[in-house]
Amino acid sequence: DAKTTQPNSMESNEEEPVHLPCNHSTISGTDYIHWYRQLPSQGPEYVIHGLTSNVNNRMASLAIAEDRKSSTLILHRATLRDAAVYYCILIDYSGYALNFGKGTSLLVTP
Amino acid sequence: DTAVSQTPKYLVTQMGNDKSIKCEQNLGHDTMYWYKQDSKKFLKIMFSYNNKELIINETVPNRFSPKSPDKAHLNLHINSLELGDSAVYFCASSSEPGLAGTDTQYFGPGTRLTVL
Repeated sequence: DAKTTQPNSMESNEEEPVHLPCNHSTISGTDYIHWYRQLPSQGPEYVIHGLTSNVNNRMASLAIAEDRKSSTLILHRATLRDAAVYYCILIDYSGYALNFGKGTSLLVTP
Repeated sequence: DTAVSQTPKYLVTQMGNDKSIKCEQNLGHDTMYWYKQDSKKFLKIMFSYNNKELIINETVPNRFSPKSPDKAHLNLHINSLELGDSAVYFCASSSEPGLAGTDTQYFGPGTRLTVL
């Protein structure tokens, strides 16, 4: 699997936007960029994914660099409930194995 | 309704015992997975089944054996438990056999296994 690099932790104030970066310089042309998050004491949950274009859904936005070597997960207004570990993962069109790195631990303060 | 459920939520047992963790999904998915999350929070895939057939078997000791009685269930049996098996085990399911780039996985709440 192509590797991703994320900061260990980030902090945000409630109701402010959060930009979570992910570097994936060895990404291949067929790799999709997926983001999952894991709330405390819960299983991971899907957030968003994309290939080349920026993506929006009800949870977040995904901004993908033109060269695809990095991406940013954007939470438009952080809430206390968004405090979690956020994982950036690359999966190709035929990928089976899915191993998560350490992710970014997001702390949201009131 | 819970999409992916696991039982038990907590499991405390002695070294050398044999135990099972059950997983059920009601999403109609064809593929199910088992993951292990260690104390450092790394989450690694162990097994994947598609329509009751094993399609992924990562480097996992033979003491771990998945069993899929039907495509809605994937149980994990662990023989001769060791201290190093202590971890949180997550079951997951998806509609595609392997993530196929665009598919998403749905995870269960996890089973915290403690081996004494």
